[in-house]
Amino acid sequence: GIQVEQSPPDLILQEGANSTLRCNFSDSVNNLQWFHQNPWGQLINLFYIPSGTKQNGRLSATTVATERYSLLYISSSQTTDSGVYFCAVMTTDSWGKLQFGAGTQVVVTP
Amino acid sequence: DAGVIQSPRHEVTEMGQEVTLRCKPISGHNSLFWYRQTMMRGLELLIYFNNNVPIDDSGMPEDRFSAKMPNASFSTLKIQPSEPRDSAVYFCASTKTGNTIYFGEGSWLTVV
Repeated sequence: GIQVEQSPPDLILQEGANSTLRCNFSDSVNNLQWFHQNPWGQLINLFYIPSGTKQNGRLSATTVATERYSLLYISSSQTTDSGVYFCAVMTTDSWGKLQFGAGTQVVVTP
Repeated sequence: DAGVIQSPRHEVTEMGQEVTLRCKPISGHNSLFWYRQTMMRGLELLIYFNNNVPIDDSGMPEDRFSAKMPNASFSTLKIQPSEPRDSAVYFCASTKTGNTIYFGEGSWLTVV
């Protein structure tokens, strides 16, 4: 099956800093999503982005499908950005299976 | 919209007991997923339904686990008998095929 690798595994940021999270995948995808799991365990959908660039407030994401990677940008980080960020992908032959990466644990300190 | 609704939110049960987790997907969504999350294995897909039909249950750990979707607005995941290694957070998620997938808040299961 498709492999999804996220980097870095852990990230500590000071409030106000910017950061980039990366997701590499091993096959062509027709669905890619970024999720934020907050400290209470909720999985919040951030972006549906199989290709192109999207922005939502301080967050933005870019997927370069031909090169099999996606980036999530966090600008002017806040303590509420802490949590785990997951990239998840789906391929045309995966019958709806969303394959998750291992996640990037982000801690934003005041 | 109310989002994906799961119950119970938390359950503590004794080994050997039957556990039933429930999920109400978002209205209009035709695909439903059950995931399990543990520290050791991360997020694992257990089973996927499309139009109420199980499409892929290859992630179901063993015969103790079963899932049903009797109609478009309800699904259950049952563990019988439960074991301590089943302790995990169980997430239900739904989508209109090919679109954004939305997760419920999870059911936190502890088997003692």
